[in-house]
Amino acid sequence: DAKTTQPPSMDCAEGRAANLPCNHSTISGNEYVYWYRQIHSQGPQYIIHGLKNNETNEMASLIITEDRKSSTLILPHATLRDTAVYYCIVMFRDDKIIFGKGTRLHILP
Amino acid sequence: GAVVSQHPSWVICKSGTSVKIECRSLDFQATTMFWYRQFPKQSLMLMATSNEGSKATYEQGVEKDKFLINHASLTLSTLTVTSAHPEDSSFYICSAGRRSYNSPLHFGNGTRLTVT
Repeated sequence: DAKTTQPPSMDCAEGRAANLPCNHSTISGNEYVYWYRQIHSQGPQYIIHGLKNNETNEMASLIITEDRKSSTLILPHATLRDTAVYYCIVMFRDDKIIFGKGTRLHILP
Repeated sequence: GAVVSQHPSWVICKSGTSVKIECRSLDFQATTMFWYRQFPKQSLMLMATSNEGSKATYEQGVEKDKFLINHASLTLSTLTVTSAHPEDSSFYICSAGRRSYNSPLHFGNGTRLTVT
């Protein structure tokens, strides 16, 4: 079973920041938070991951709360190409990925 | 970055035939690869873990004689759907990673299988 809870869908206006929440209240100390997205009819694409600290890369930022029970993926300037299903995954670093249902993000023109 | 290549990207076969799907890690060695399937409007479901040089580990409910996995080298895993039936029509996706610190799993672009 997936260890995370995400809203089933969200809308975001093009050019605005998209903030995707994820709850993972049962996360253990050595489990990482990973984010992937899947654009229609493609394989999932890695976005970002983190353990405790906030992380930023060229695609997104990951904000993890101090108690690590929730996190937020931030796409700073959403474009239509960011329309996808976003998966928040909690797992040990060398473990297999079990996907939940994810959040379907719609970017509105 | 790490790249995972899948082939073919789509295949149509007749009921009763077998289909082989390849998954390659292009710039790293992968002792472990994973196979998923995805039905329309559903999430990815893990089918099995492919282990180089040993037998694959199948998830509960996945028929190992139906879905044959071979991981003969550190860069190649194959999934063979044997005696395919229309209900096997699905999107099959593999993943692999360097499994070193800070290196995530990457996914192939999937294979769309249609059994007629």
